[in-house]
Amino acid sequence: EAGVAQSPRYKIIEKRQSVAFWCNPISGHATLYWYQQILGQGPKLLIQFQNNGVVDDSQLPKDRFSAERLKGVDSTLKIQPAKLEDSAVYLCASSLPLHGASPLHFGNGTRLTVT
Amino acid sequence: DQQVKQNSPSLSVQEGRISILNCDYTNSMFDYFLWYKKYPAEGPTFLISISSIKDKNEDGRFTVFLNKSAKHLSLHIVPSQPGDSAVYFCAASSSGNTPLVFGKGTRLSVIA
Repeated sequence: EAGVAQSPRYKIIEKRQSVAFWCNPISGHATLYWYQQILGQGPKLLIQFQNNGVVDDSQLPKDRFSAERLKGVDSTLKIQPAKLEDSAVYLCASSLPLHGASPLHFGNGTRLTVT
Repeated sequence: DQQVKQNSPSLSVQEGRISILNCDYTNSMFDYFLWYKKYPAEGPTFLISISSIKDKNEDGRFTVFLNKSAKHLSLHIVPSQPGDSAVYFCAASSSGNTPLVFGKGTRLSVIA
């Protein structure tokens, strides 16, 4: 099966600029996640979608970050305006609907550098 | 408040020997635990999992042990191979329907 697709792979922007990341999950996976991984840390959840509804966005800095999954498939994550501390790898993951537990499948991430 | 802790940032092991990676958690509601492996410039890849109803799960060279009373789990790799060199993340969730919480990772180097 095709994996989770993310683009772009790398992005360099200046602070106060805006940026958007795109994710296409594994076909049939209803649950989609965006994680932020800062260098030397483990991935931290930003937002979780179930189909096109938000399940958990408690750790999303909503003053500057937004995410959508309009048709329950692809998703975009936007940062506007970016700050230096937003430099990180942004990972998208997907999983089957959770009846019991199922592992997350991650994309290769987008490495964002804010200068 | 770090709910999942991997206290060893790095570990070096000789090829053919056992690698033991450790993980501690603080949230007693966690009942599903996973290990992920991450190579540079790639996303984390699922390796093995265990639910709280078990204390051991084995898959080939990889075995995960869970000690619920100590809130501790470990990943054993036997025998270790150079291709196992990567960063290993421990992750946990509660009731299988909450987002995974990750540790900071342990970098394993397997020396030939």
